[in-house]
Amino acid sequence: GAVVSQHPSWVICKSGTSVKIECRSLDFQATTMFWYRQFPKQSLMLMATSNEGSKATYEQGVEKDKFLINHASLTLSTLTVTSAHPEDSSFYICSAARTGGPYGYTFGSGTRLTVV
Amino acid sequence: QKEVEQDPGPLSVPEGAIVSLNCTYSNSAFQYFMWYRQYSRKGPELLMYTYSSGNKEDGRFTAQVDKSSKYISLFIRDSQPSDSATYLCAMSSSVISSGSARQLTFGSGTQLTVLP
Repeated sequence: GAVVSQHPSWVICKSGTSVKIECRSLDFQATTMFWYRQFPKQSLMLMATSNEGSKATYEQGVEKDKFLINHASLTLSTLTVTSAHPEDSSFYICSAARTGGPYGYTFGSGTRLTVV
Repeated sequence: QKEVEQDPGPLSVPEGAIVSLNCTYSNSAFQYFMWYRQYSRKGPELLMYTYSSGNKEDGRFTAQVDKSSKYISLFIRDSQPSDSATYLCAMSSSVISSGSARQLTFGSGTQLTVLP
């Protein structure tokens, strides 16, 4: 089955530093990956759509200079939270679309970011 | 009005009960319907994927889609404590084809607890 690996699963960083989160599709190629943010007991909030080889498309209200997305290959997308602040603390989840059939979207296991 | 409405619960049932989870939607363009299960601090995992109206069964899970009423359901038979999780409905207007995939529209999630 389709597997998406997300790393790290949790990270604690100091305010003002940057954190990179990786999302890899292990057994399929993902032209498109999505990045979500989730607050406790709330649903997923789409942050941006990442397309391989082109610039990401950000949702309204998401700072593109703060949340840098790179999708350099068909199996890897990265989200970098730059100059992190405590309000950036959240659960970040990626998902990848497996093309060519009714496979749906596969999610990574999520990254718990805590900024202190 | 949200595009997808889902009762957030929480829903608590005894082990062995039949669980019914529902979502309504307003966008008649939605054709692809999914149910995801999310355990605490984990990424969502795909349970069911259906296209257009009808029923689909997979083990103890049955997904129903009624496009005329813009209503989808997930039934869980013989519920188990391991089914305790948040269930998210999701839908899309287009199939995941080659090239950019469309983003999903999620419900807010229903928190389910199955008591032993």
